[in-house]
Formats: sequence, structure tokens, C-alpha cells
Amino acid sequence: AQRVTQPEKLLSVFKGAPVELKCNYSYSGSPELFWYVQYSRQRLQLLLRHISRESIKGFTADLNKGETSFHLKKPFAQEEDSAMYYCALRGYSSASKIIFGSGTRLSIRP
Amino acid sequence: ETGVTQSPTHLIKTRGQQVTLRCSSQSGHNTVSWYQQALGQGPQFIFQYYREEENGRGNFPPRFSGLQFPNYSSELNVNALELDDSALYLCASSPDVQDYGYTFGSGTRLTVV
Repeated sequence: AQRVTQPEKLLSVFKGAPVELKCNYSYSGSPELFWYVQYSRQRLQLLLRHISRESIKGFTADLNKGETSFHLKKPFAQEEDSAMYYCALRGYSSASKIIFGSGTRLSIRP
Repeated sequence: ETGVTQSPTHLIKTRGQQVTLRCSSQSGHNTVSWYQQALGQGPQFIFQYYREEENGRGNFPPRFSGLQFPNYSSELNVNALELDDSALYLCASSPDVQDYGYTFGSGTRLTVV
């Protein structure tokens, strides 16, 4: 079964503290992994994808195929990071379909 | 302005009725996908259209249907509405099927009573 699991519905950390949003996936094959973000009153937008291996707004995510995980990390949280974060995957053989997790709300306390 | 607009923003329908939701994509975006997002859940893939042909479908019954037009607009039609169809419906477009940088609309909130 193709599935994306985000175990935390809410994650609250203090400003300046490290952040790790967990994501595990189940997929028979080689998927592409993504993180999407939705800031308050804004649209869902792509944050980063595993293939690009880039850091966006200080966030990074490493694909661990052995643990089937794609956790999102940032060493020092900022207040503007407060948002809803969705982990998502797409199979190379079914490029049309993106499967989203249920999301984690990140709240940064001042 | 991201270039993807959805209408209407909110809609209330009665169980058993039919509804049409509309999406206007950016010029040049040949791919449009529709998602259903229930409260507290992530978006669920309904289907995708590429150059006016259906290009993939999720686990939704046939009463969910769509159309894509040459002017980069598209529709999601839902027949025989059920209470569980109450959700936020999102449209997302991209230039091509393989593109990952989908541009999402702000959604239509459908309430079925």
C-alpha cells in the first residue's frame, strides 16, 4: 500500500530550538519525496524535494530508504516557520498522483 | 498572485444534488490535478488531466468527473452529493505531467447538508 505517515499532528518548539518533523512512507518502488508547506491564509506550496538535496529557508530533508523516512529538519527555528507541513510522495511510474500525509502543524513559541 | 484561481470559494449544497467546481490555471500549464482535503487530513488525489485527457485517477467513485478545456480552465463535477463529500477541493496545475512544482489554488470549501 502506498502511504505517507506523519505521526505528529502538532509540534511546538521554542524559537531558536531545533526542529524535526517526522515522515515515514510506504511504497513499493522508488518514489520521489516532497515537503509542502501552508502558511496561515496562504496556499499550499512546495518547500523542497529529495532529489534536489537543497536547503530551503534553512530546512533540509534526507531520504533514508532503509528506514523509509524523509524527516524535515531545521537547526534553529524561527517564528515565521509556524505553518502546516505536509510530507508527500510520487511514484516514478505514476507521476500524476501525489500522496500526501495528514500534516503536522508546527508552532514556534517566542 | 500565483495564477491559479478557483471558484466559488464557498458553496453549500443539499445531499443528492450535483455541483461543478471551477479552476483557472496559468497559461501554458497543460496539467491540472484535483484534490479533496477533508478536515484535519492531507489532500487526497482525485484525478489529473493532461491536455484535456484524464491521465490518472485516485480512489474516487465515477460520480466524481472532470473536464479540462483548451483555455487552461477545468471543472470538477460531483453528482449525487453525499454528506462525506464535504471538504476543501483543491486544484493544482503544472506545465507538464513530470513537473513537481505544482501551483495550488486556494480551494473551494464545499459543505453538503
